[in-house]
Amino acid sequence: GIQVEQSPPDLILQEGANSTLRCNFSDSVNNLQWFHQNPWGQLINLFYIPSGTKQNGRLSATTVATERYSLLYISSSQTTDSGVYFCAVGLYSGGGADGLTFGKGTHLIIQP
Amino acid sequence: KAGVTQTPRYLIKTRGQQVTLSCSPISGHRSVSWYQQTPGQGLQFLFEYFSETQRNKGNFPGRFSGRQFSNSRSEMNVSTLELGDSALYLCASSLGGARDTEAFFGQGTRLTVV
Repeated sequence: GIQVEQSPPDLILQEGANSTLRCNFSDSVNNLQWFHQNPWGQLINLFYIPSGTKQNGRLSATTVATERYSLLYISSSQTTDSGVYFCAVGLYSGGGADGLTFGKGTHLIIQP
Repeated sequence: KAGVTQTPRYLIKTRGQQVTLSCSPISGHRSVSWYQQTPGQGLQFLFEYFSETQRNKGNFPGRFSGRQFSNSRSEMNVSTLELGDSALYLCASSLGGARDTEAFFGQGTRLTVV
């Protein structure tokens, strides 16, 4: 099956710093999403971005589908940005639907 | 617009028992997928239902099953619970298939097997 690798696994930054999270995937995809998992376990949608670039406030994301990677940028980090960030991809093979394949996540800690 | 609702939020069960979890998707969404999250294995796909039909299933034993009703609500059942089934179970709702349309997740059900 498709492989999804996220880096770095852990990241500790000071409030106000910028960060870049990376997601590499092993095959062409139809779906790529970035999520932030809150302390209660819910996955919060950040971006649906199978290709191209999107921005939402301090967050932006870029997916270069031809090179099989996606980047999530967080600028001017705040302590509330702390948590685990997941990249998930979907690949429609034509043989039927399947679910998302998740990376192992990046654990981000923003210190005041 | 209401989000994805999972019930119950927390469950404690004894080994050997069975459990049923419920997921109500976003109105109009026909696809419901289930995922298991554990510290060791991360987030893993269990199965997906679309218009009351199971489309595919992940690599889980037959003790894990599910169904979807005509109103798109879905239930997941785990029989003969094992300690290793302790996990956060997340359900996702999407308009089309989970692999190629945006998925939205519920708050999860945290299952503890003792």
